[in-house]
Amino acid sequence: SQQGEEDPQALSIQEGENATMNCSYKTSINNLQWYRQNSGRGLVHLILIRSNEREKHSGRLRVTLDTSKKSSSLLITASRAADTASYFCATDGNDYKLSFGAGTTVTVRA
Amino acid sequence: NAGVTQTPKFQVLKTGQSMTLQCAQDMNHNSMYWYRQDPGMGLRLIYYSASEGTTDKGEVPNGYNVSRLNKREFSLRLESAAPSQTSVYFCASSDIQGRSYNEQFFGPGTRLTVL
Repeated sequence: SQQGEEDPQALSIQEGENATMNCSYKTSINNLQWYRQNSGRGLVHLILIRSNEREKHSGRLRVTLDTSKKSSSLLITASRAADTASYFCATDGNDYKLSFGAGTTVTVRA
Repeated sequence: NAGVTQTPKFQVLKTGQSMTLQCAQDMNHNSMYWYRQDPGMGLRLIYYSASEGTTDKGEVPNGYNVSRLNKREFSLRLESAAPSQTSVYFCASSDIQGRSYNEQFFGPGTRLTVL
């Protein structure tokens, strides 16, 4: 069963706007990762945040993690057309496996 | 450095046919994974190999078998394909550090249709 669940399922924004999506999970984690998938392609890793971290930045990406609420958010600032993609959160427990959510589809309109 | 490669890219099978999906990585990673992706379902783990010589079932292993041929290669076999196995299949690899994950690197996927 999927551990992480993203919200919203789909998001449409204007170029230059910010996009925020959330991920909720059910059991304790070691790390939480975010991946991007462009249409017809494989997933690409964006950022990893460890359970003892609260916020992490990478370029125009900002990820927060609230372990008390079992939730994470991904913020993309100043969106571009190239940010159009599906975004997935993935969590790991105490084994070698990641659990992926169903994803948020982001469309950036020119 | 090609990363993770998968063959074939597309495949159409008839119900009952068998086939093997190939995956190879050139990053010297210990762990390799097979996922399937269905619309609205995200990725579901079929099988994984934490290290060379070991394989374990994931969330949806029924109807599949795997072989970790060596450190580089991890194949997925459908012995008797069914329409429910129509999906996009992704192979991934990762270099595990202790019990904490690094990122997984994904191949481009194999789009399989079973008629």
